[in-house]
Amino acid sequence: GIQVEQSPPDLILQEGANSTLRCNFSDSVNNLQWFHQNPWGQLINLFYIPSGTKQNGRLSATTVATERYSLLYISSSQTTDSGVYFCAVKRRGSTLGRLYFGRGTQLTVWP
Amino acid sequence: DGGITQSPKYLFRKEGQNVTLSCEQNLNHDAMYWYRQDPGQGLRLIYYSQIVNDFQKGDIAEGYSVSREKKESFPLTVTSAQKNPTAFYLCASSIWGRESTDTQYFGPGTRLTVL
Repeated sequence: GIQVEQSPPDLILQEGANSTLRCNFSDSVNNLQWFHQNPWGQLINLFYIPSGTKQNGRLSATTVATERYSLLYISSSQTTDSGVYFCAVKRRGSTLGRLYFGRGTQLTVWP
Repeated sequence: DGGITQSPKYLFRKEGQNVTLSCEQNLNHDAMYWYRQDPGQGLRLIYYSQIVNDFQKGDIAEGYSVSREKKESFPLTVTSAQKNPTAFYLCASSIWGRESTDTQYFGPGTRLTVL
């Protein structure tokens, strides 16, 4: 398989602060997704970003595929941003459609 | 509304019993997946199916079984052979499965507790 490591494992912020979450992966990928899992367990797609930079409101993501990492930026954090953020990748060249997930970053935003 | 539904939301089972978790999607997706999540852990792949009547084992398939008789349905059976079945189970689907641009969409999950 492919190893996916996320850091930090836990992050505690006050409302309004900015944060950066990191995802490192051990092999070439052709698919990378960021997900947010809310406190009720629902996973929501944030970004499909195998390379380059994307922005969606207060969230943005950058993937540097040649250096095998991706970053998720959260600006002006809100309490509703709390939850677990997962990075998942698909290995380049694989004929199988599966994603490999990291263990996630648990984000807690206090008012 | 298009989406993925899982039922039940909470499930309690006695040790030694088999139990089946339902997953249905009306997104017309070819590929479907089952994941297991334990507290503080990431998602681990149990089984996946890229087409009707075909499925592959994931990383932790022992003690589980699946079927894919219809495109929209991918039920998961947790058998009595699964040694530690208490967990949160998530079902997902994606359009093609094999394509690099494929994006997975998740259902709301089923929390299984073995008493």
